[in-house]
Amino acid sequence: DADVTQTPRNRITKTGKRIMLECSQTKGHDRMYWYRQDPGLGLRLIYYSFDVKDINKGEISDGYSVSRQAQAKFSLSLESAIPNQTALYFCATSSGQVVDEQFFGPGTRLTVL
Amino acid sequence: GESVGLHLPTLSVQEGDNSIINCAYSNSASDYFIWYKQESGKGPQFIIDIRSNMDKRQGQRVTVLLNKTVKHLSLQIAATQPGDSAVYFCAENNRHDMRFGAGTRLTVKP
Repeated sequence: DADVTQTPRNRITKTGKRIMLECSQTKGHDRMYWYRQDPGLGLRLIYYSFDVKDINKGEISDGYSVSRQAQAKFSLSLESAIPNQTALYFCATSSGQVVDEQFFGPGTRLTVL
Repeated sequence: GESVGLHLPTLSVQEGDNSIINCAYSNSASDYFIWYKQESGKGPQFIIDIRSNMDKRQGQRVTVLLNKTVKHLSLQIAATQPGDSAVYFCAENNRHDMRFGAGTRLTVKP
């Protein structure tokens, strides 16, 4: 089974709709992250959480919110989706140890019409 | 502003040849660098990392070189195989902030 899972894997929605993307991990890591990936721009950090009570904005947090429901779960919400939020979204986790390698989920492809 | 970038967006090599993928960074305070591989339809996967107090680190068929003087990072893949075809990202870490480059697409020709 995958260590980091994301649901849904694909989603098409309309402008103005509220969307939630979910991420679960079985690695026991404290740190979790949400990124979006756009062609030619690489990965950009939206939000990150270093433990259940810690939430931090990343580079591009406007228009997004997150919830860390448990150590293993970190969800990303788009309160009112807009077309320029069409992108590939990745969740990642890391242990926060000396080698802070991030483990990525398979991604969610979101299309906002 | 600070940024992580790549010299070449695409690289095509012959199977069996060595590949070199380059990355420039501009944040001199970054202390940790990682190379990721992303295959089509998948999330990025860790390849190798290096700390700023090192110049070189070797893994299995891969070597990362760090030149802090010119703020340059490279990934060398020895005896490139078809399975190495993917997009490769460098990332720099400065405390809590991980910044990724746009990626280089490596294509291995049989």
